[in-house]
Amino acid sequence: GAGVSQSPRYKVTKRGQDVALRCDPISGHVSLYWYRQALGQGPEFLTYFNYEAQQDKSGLPNDRFSAERPEGSISTLTIQRTEQRDSAMYRCASSLMGQGGGYTFGSGTRLTVV
Amino acid sequence: AQKITQTQPGMFVQEKEAVTLDCTYDTSDQSYGLFWYKQPSSGEMIFLIYQGSYDEQNATEGRYSLNFQKARKSANLVISASQLGDSAMYFCAMREGLDQGAQKLVFGQGTRLTINP
Repeated sequence: GAGVSQSPRYKVTKRGQDVALRCDPISGHVSLYWYRQALGQGPEFLTYFNYEAQQDKSGLPNDRFSAERPEGSISTLTIQRTEQRDSAMYRCASSLMGQGGGYTFGSGTRLTVV
Repeated sequence: AQKITQTQPGMFVQEKEAVTLDCTYDTSDQSYGLFWYKQPSSGEMIFLIYQGSYDEQNATEGRYSLNFQKARKSANLVISASQLGDSAMYFCAMREGLDQGAQKLVFGQGTRLTINP
């Protein structure tokens, strides 16, 4: 597609439920990244993929968070047993691998855990 | 220790004036990249400018320039002739390493810029 597409745009879930956030990167972009952004803060790295391989997951806060990109294109970030502290904007970005310039971010998914 | 420090939580500038947004970084790598992003109230993240650690010239993109002072580990964003549409949150970010395995961006806390008419 023309840009990085994320769905849903907004997600309200009850504490304890699982959620799955989807990211569809720019066609041909090898690298895909997940970030979390709290209100008024900078984005915080979660994990990234080159093709289908997860290269770095050091930013995932705990084992309730996981991500996959099985065919090297669309990625899903899953949060199990959600907690209120998981409420944030979750952003996906994509780039050509090793690109020196900027990464293209999606519009994000605003997750609210009630 | 903070990798990226933006010391100005907020700035107010008159329209048409130039503005400098501060960013200092901390790394022991020789190879790294520095980025600036703009986040308007709509929430999107817009890439503005990039500077590689080996680039000898300061990066420029239209009204944006990056004042890169390697010895001081400083990468300030300069916006010339500010416009009302420049009002937004601005984030400085760094990628340590320039090879294909080094792609994580670390962001600063941001500076909220307000342009007054």
